[in-house]
Amino acid sequence: KQEVTQIPAALSVPEGENLVLNCSFTDSAIYNLQWFRQDPGKGLTSLLLIQSSQREQTSGRLNASLDKSSGRSTLYIAASQPGDSATYLCQGGGADGLTFGKGTHLIIQP
Amino acid sequence: NAGVMQNPRHLVRRRGQEARLRCSPMKGHSHVYWYRQLPEEGLKFMVYLQKENIIDESGMPKERFSAEFPKEGPSILRIQQVVRGDSAAYFCASSPKVGQPQHFGDGTRLSIL
Repeated sequence: KQEVTQIPAALSVPEGENLVLNCSFTDSAIYNLQWFRQDPGKGLTSLLLIQSSQREQTSGRLNASLDKSSGRSTLYIAASQPGDSATYLCQGGGADGLTFGKGTHLIIQP
Repeated sequence: NAGVMQNPRHLVRRRGQEARLRCSPMKGHSHVYWYRQLPEEGLKFMVYLQKENIIDESGMPKERFSAEFPKEGPSILRIQQVVRGDSAAYFCASSPKVGQPQHFGDGTRLSIL
């Protein structure tokens, strides 16, 4: 069964810094990998979806990569802003369904 | 300690029929969220409910879709007059309080013939 791990569990950085969130998964036969953000009181918001045939996806200041051979995905956030503060979850999709990591709680200090 | 339970796991309907998807949140959780994942797309938020109240339905299609979370019993996502485009996996999540992590069910895979 797929296991998804996110490191670090929490991260606090000053505004303006570039940062990387990590996600690792155990089953390389992954169909896709998706990054979400979770804001208090809201449902998950999808950020980027990478299909298994793709290596990366970009949206604005966000870039996500996928390396199936090493079982890793990273979410890169450029020029961080206080509004980026949230919990970020990665989710692997495969034959046994969707598996989420526990998330990285990110705080951007103004 | 049972997790979020969704049933049925698989549901097949013909065009024009009604589909009812059920979600029993984890014990002690009073907040329920529904998501839809269309083929080749990521998970998308539909609606957020707290016992007997709809808090946020910004992701819910305006027609044919409705959701409820009665005082007793599971949350129900109801799709009337289903069309082929409704074929998707529907996921439910629950949390004990606002801002707490959501726990997801395994989903209901809806197929429209």
